[in-house]
Amino acid sequence: NAGVTQTPKFQVLKTGQSMTLQCAQDMNHEYMSWYRQDPGMGLRLIHYSVGAGITDQGEVPNGYNVSRSTTEDFPLRLLSAAPSQTSVYFCASSYGTGQETQYFGPGTRLLVL
Amino acid sequence: GESVGLHLPTLSVQEGDNSIINCAYSNSASDYFIWYKQESGKGPQFIIDIRSNMDKRQGQRVTVLLNKTVKHLSLQIAATQPGDSAVYFCAENSGGYQKVTFGIGTKLQVIP
Repeated sequence: NAGVTQTPKFQVLKTGQSMTLQCAQDMNHEYMSWYRQDPGMGLRLIHYSVGAGITDQGEVPNGYNVSRSTTEDFPLRLLSAAPSQTSVYFCASSYGTGQETQYFGPGTRLLVL
Repeated sequence: GESVGLHLPTLSVQEGDNSIINCAYSNSASDYFIWYKQESGKGPQFIIDIRSNMDKRQGQRVTVLLNKTVKHLSLQIAATQPGDSAVYFCAENSGGYQKVTFGIGTKLQVIP
């Protein structure tokens, strides 16, 4: 099993550009989520999904879109990048709804100029 | 979780000694707690968890202690090794994905 994979590892964007961060898991987990990690702050939930076709907003959803067309994939889209979105983004998956172990991907480091 | 600004608290430990990393959680309704290890440039990795009906749980070289009275969680690492050098943070869960709160973390430096 590859676990949770994320691409790209690193990306530089200009303000206003859009991009998609990819996330895939091969553990047949129903639950997937996106977090951002910023200096001096704990991980913050952006969006999450409890199954294919179902998504919901987390703590900091503004500026991001998600979709879940398959169990395996959960892409995160930045619609119009802003410098405030410079961060490290982690995708995670779990069998259950947060009271289960979450498995994290290696992260995508995003710099918005 | 911790609230210490931009700089992570750092714990320096001699190789072979025991390490104790502390975490204060905020929500008295939290009933599930997790410790994660994050190495530089990598994603968080699950270490150990504990539910609120327990005070102590042991894993391989790690022990988590939960004191619900003072809302305090600790992670003990026995015989600390250089490979234990990382940031460790706790998470509290009061039910569901959207109710997980992550701490900022403590950087553990192991001195050879």
